[in-house]
Amino acid sequence: DTAVSQTPKYLVTQMGNDKSIKCEQNLGHDTMYWYKQDSKKFLKIMFSYNNKELIINETVPNRFSPKSPDKAHLNLHINSLELGDSAVYFCASSQAHYEQYFGPGTRLTVT
Amino acid sequence: QQPVQSPQAVILREGEDAVINCSSSKALYSVHWYRQKHGEAPVFLMILLKGGEQKGHDKISASFNEKKQQSSLYLTASQLSYSGTYFCGTERPSARQLTFGSGTQLTVLP
Repeated sequence: DTAVSQTPKYLVTQMGNDKSIKCEQNLGHDTMYWYKQDSKKFLKIMFSYNNKELIINETVPNRFSPKSPDKAHLNLHINSLELGDSAVYFCASSQAHYEQYFGPGTRLTVT
Repeated sequence: QQPVQSPQAVILREGEDAVINCSSSKALYSVHWYRQKHGEAPVFLMILLKGGEQKGHDKISASFNEKKQQSSLYLTASQLSYSGTYFCGTERPSARQLTFGSGTQLTVLP
């Protein structure tokens, strides 16, 4: 059974489009995250979310918004995509402050 | 603020040892270590909470010096499977998020 899954694995789209990436975890964790990893491998936190609190990294453009329909899902919606949004996006989950389990990643390419 | 990792890259022969360092200018609650192989997701190695506790996991261990806000990852008798990029992630007492260092690329040659 996959612990943290993401769809799609690859996403190619044009500038200006709106897209969503879905994430699901079956670990029963209370906290989920979205990370962006750029071409230099820098892994940057975008959001962390549990059923009580959303923490947004201050450098994340408001074109990015997390949406959580329930405790096991945290989707990422991106409006008006830009070239600089091209990266690998990882979803992760954890129980409180403990180890994080990462999904396989979604490679987003904006042309 | 992003922790500083060193070295940026290291090349070893099988059986050799390596140390990867991670330092922060801010007080920390915990330090996490992850390994990422090319084209894959980061995988958790270990977590160290404040208190200077040293943890071990097979031939990989780590320490956390709370006073200096530094952590070190020790890889002994390295194996080919140790190759990858190692990231430290630091968590401050008031935060609920990890901030990752820029990574250390480790290559183990036969």
